Amino acid sequence: NAGVTQTPKFQVLKTGQSMTLQCAQDMNHNSMYWYRQDPGMGLRLIYYSASEGTTDKGEVPNGYNVSRLNKREFSLRLESAAPSQTSVYFCASNPSGGNVQPQHFGDGTRLSIL
Amino acid sequence: AQSVTQLGSHVSVSEGALVLLRCNYSSSVPPYLFWYVQYPNQGLQLLLKYTSAATLVKGINGFEAEFKKSETSFHLTKPSAHMSDAAEYFCAVRGSSNTGKLIFGQGTTLQVKP
Repeated sequence: NAGVTQTPKFQVLKTGQSMTLQCAQDMNHNSMYWYRQDPGMGLRLIYYSASEGTTDKGEVPNGYNVSRLNKREFSLRLESAAPSQTSVYFCASNPSGGNVQPQHFGDGTRLSIL
Repeated sequence: AQSVTQLGSHVSVSEGALVLLRCNYSSSVPPYLFWYVQYPNQGLQLLLKYTSAATLVKGINGFEAEFKKSETSFHLTKPSAHMSDAAEYFCAVRGSSNTGKLIFGQGTTLQVKP
């Protein structure tokens, strides 16, 4: 009963390094999302994938890229990490964006960039 | 465009007291509204959702919320706080497009004093 699995759980990077955050869901959901959480700002959408084969920018996409590898997996890449990208990153999924089923969240990746 | 405002970034109550967490929304279409809870170092869990079926929505762990269109509010309440309710709470509204995107409030940290 895994739900949404994110790896790694913690990571420390140096400025300029690259990294890919992995996300996989086993609920056969069509839609997947990447958010970042910063104190006092709630969660902000970085990118989303409404269905396999499609990706779109969210509110704060600069400095990130995504890949919807297949229906299960949706990865987030930082090409050249910056201290402003220090945050907690959450992946989420739901059956289909067109309905009102709630999103299911992973436990997050805590990323620090020095 | 949709937006959510949570009044009060920190709320402190005594164990056994009423919990009231405030959420106001702005939406150009009939809103779908959610409350999520986040315990330390965990992802977000759904507490309850409003999808126009009933204005008073009951959720898990004794929480409920009332949708008031005239006040554009969706406040979360619980009659008697438990120590285990200490967490961060997020109100969210679904975006207007059929992508399932959520727009989150800034979050409210609930402290429960013994």
